[in-house]
Amino acid sequence: SQTIHQWPATLVQPVGSPLSLECTVEGTSNPNLYWYRQAAGRGLQLLFYSVGIGQISSEVPQNLSASRPQDRQFILSSKKLLLSDSGFYLCAWQNYGYTFGSGTRLTVV
Amino acid sequence: SQKIEQNSEALNIQEGKTATLTCNYTNYSPAYLQWYRQDPGRGPVFLLLIRENEKEKRKERLKVTFDTTLKQSLFHITASQPADSATYLCALVGTGNAGNMLTFGGGTRLMVKP
Repeated sequence: SQTIHQWPATLVQPVGSPLSLECTVEGTSNPNLYWYRQAAGRGLQLLFYSVGIGQISSEVPQNLSASRPQDRQFILSSKKLLLSDSGFYLCAWQNYGYTFGSGTRLTVV
Repeated sequence: SQKIEQNSEALNIQEGKTATLTCNYTNYSPAYLQWYRQDPGRGPVFLLLIRENEKEKRKERLKVTFDTTLKQSLFHITASQPADSATYLCALVGTGNAGNMLTFGGGTRLMVKP
């Protein structure tokens, strides 16, 4: 069966520190992968998507970057976090519908 | 500009009644529309997909309609239960190069009272 793993579940980071969030998918190959962010009380904002290894497209200019070093691995990164990077980060892969990971609650302090 | 609008106010209904949530969109010509459920602190969970050539789709107590002329989808939960309380999101295929990339509405929170 297909599963998606995302970690960590919660993260508190100081302003200016780096960030690395990881997402892995099991049970499928060459998935389309997505990173979304959800600010408190807001809708889902698409940040990045990837249709294959090394292929990253950004939807919103920002302080974040993404990489896809392996077929089923998608990483969200930042070199220096800003307060505005706080939010709920979700990884998803596309099947019939989208399957989302459990999310990472990031608080930048 | 493209917009997906859902009622941002919470919908409060009594257990056993039918809940109806609305999704309106502008400047989209979606091939299909999806509905998701999101519980607090969790990722959205896919519920239903309805295609542009389908007027209605059902799954257990859920029913979705899709009117491409009105540019509207209605999401119904019949015989609602307190466990149905959650935020419900509609999503459309947006523009872009990533195949079937979804854009989400802001969601409507449903509260079912016993």
